[in-house]
Amino acid sequence: NAGVTQTPKFRILKIGQSMTLQCAQDMNHNYMYWYRQDPGMGLKLIYYSVGAGITDKGEVPNGYNVSRSTTEDFPLRLELAAPSQTSVYFCASSYSSSSGNTIYFGEGSWLTVV
Amino acid sequence: DQQVKQNSPSLSVQEGRISILNCDYTNSMFDYFLWYKKYPAEGPTFLISISSIKDKNEDGRFTVFLNKSAKHLSLHIVPSQPGDSAVYFCAASALRAGNNRKLIWGLGTSLAVNP
Repeated sequence: NAGVTQTPKFRILKIGQSMTLQCAQDMNHNYMYWYRQDPGMGLKLIYYSVGAGITDKGEVPNGYNVSRSTTEDFPLRLELAAPSQTSVYFCASSYSSSSGNTIYFGEGSWLTVV
Repeated sequence: DQQVKQNSPSLSVQEGRISILNCDYTNSMFDYFLWYKKYPAEGPTFLISISSIKDKNEDGRFTVFLNKSAKHLSLHIVPSQPGDSAVYFCAASALRAGNNRKLIWGLGTSLAVNP
């Protein structure tokens, strides 16, 4: 089972460049998320989606954009990379029910902006 | 405002002993709690969860205890093994309008199990 797949694993960007982090899940989950984790810090939610065609901002959305054209895919776009966006990015997915939700994470994408 | 707090950034225990990781929360509406484990260079993986209708949930060497009156939960690992060395995140959620949930994360506790 692939679960949640993220690409690329590692990337170095120059300031001002743009890139897209790809995320795909094969569990037919309705919810998908993008988190970032800075050194020594917890997980901060960037954007999330409750289903195809629906996205919403998390705690730290500035500098990012997302789209959800299919249930499976949830790419994260950085338009003008800044050093503050150097971080580890995790894509995740879940069912969401009234009784609780367990999130499944991808392996992470390490991004350095120089 | 940190709604989910893991006050110990790190913990060190001897192999074979019990590891106790603590988590406090402030929102009384939280009714579902999870623990995740994270190894370096990997994504977090789900470990164990508990609903607020229970005060204990057990899965092998891992047990989570929930004390709703104290707004406190703990993860017990018995016996601890070197492979348990990782960062452990506590997370909590409450049912919101629209019948959906949002997980609130603690900052994590780094556990080192020494041989």
